[in-house]
Amino acid sequence: KAGVTQTPRYLIKTRGQQVTLSCSPISGHRSVSWYQQTPGQGLQFLFEYFSETQRNKGNFPGRFSGRQFSNSRSEMNVSTLELGDSALYLCASSPGAIQETQYFGPGTRLLVL
Amino acid sequence: QKEVEQDPGPLSVPEGAIVSLNCTYSNSAFQYFMWYRQYSRKGPELLMYTYSSGNKEDGRFTAQVDKSSKYISLFIRDSQPSDSATYLCAMSASWSGGGADGLTFGKGTHLIIQP
Repeated sequence: KAGVTQTPRYLIKTRGQQVTLSCSPISGHRSVSWYQQTPGQGLQFLFEYFSETQRNKGNFPGRFSGRQFSNSRSEMNVSTLELGDSALYLCASSPGAIQETQYFGPGTRLLVL
Repeated sequence: QKEVEQDPGPLSVPEGAIVSLNCTYSNSAFQYFMWYRQYSRKGPELLMYTYSSGNKEDGRFTAQVDKSSKYISLFIRDSQPSDSATYLCAMSASWSGGGADGLTFGKGTHLIIQP
């Protein structure tokens, strides 16, 4: 079974731009979570989607948003990029209605110049 | 005070040694505890998860949770160079939807196993 895939793997943007990252969960998984990983703050929870509904949200500004499609694929969007948004963005999927175990993708490394 | 504290290391040990990795936490609501391994330029990989207090063993890995002390540990026996990675502890207050805040992670301990 294929793992969690994320595209693109690397991205360079400039301040003020917006960016959209994509995540395809493991086949059959309905829950998708997004995390931001930086050397200073570590892994921080952004939000979680299940059946196209956002169930949980971390403590991030409204510039960070996401959505989930009927096929469970998910996208996250960051508007008005700031230098501090440079990070590894990780997507994780889990099998069912409860999170059980989370399986992470390889991440998208975003650099904001 | 951070919710989850984890020594960043690096922790360097010789091949074959027993490795002990630890996290402390402050939120008594945490009930589910996980250990992830992350290799350079890869996403985290789940190693162990436990509920509430107690021990759990899986091959060379043993996870311990002491809720009274708010302290969790991961032991690696017969350590191998391939175990060299960053080890992240993670915890959650609930298992349904991951809780209000999703998983809360420690910052990770960088482990180096010397051949």
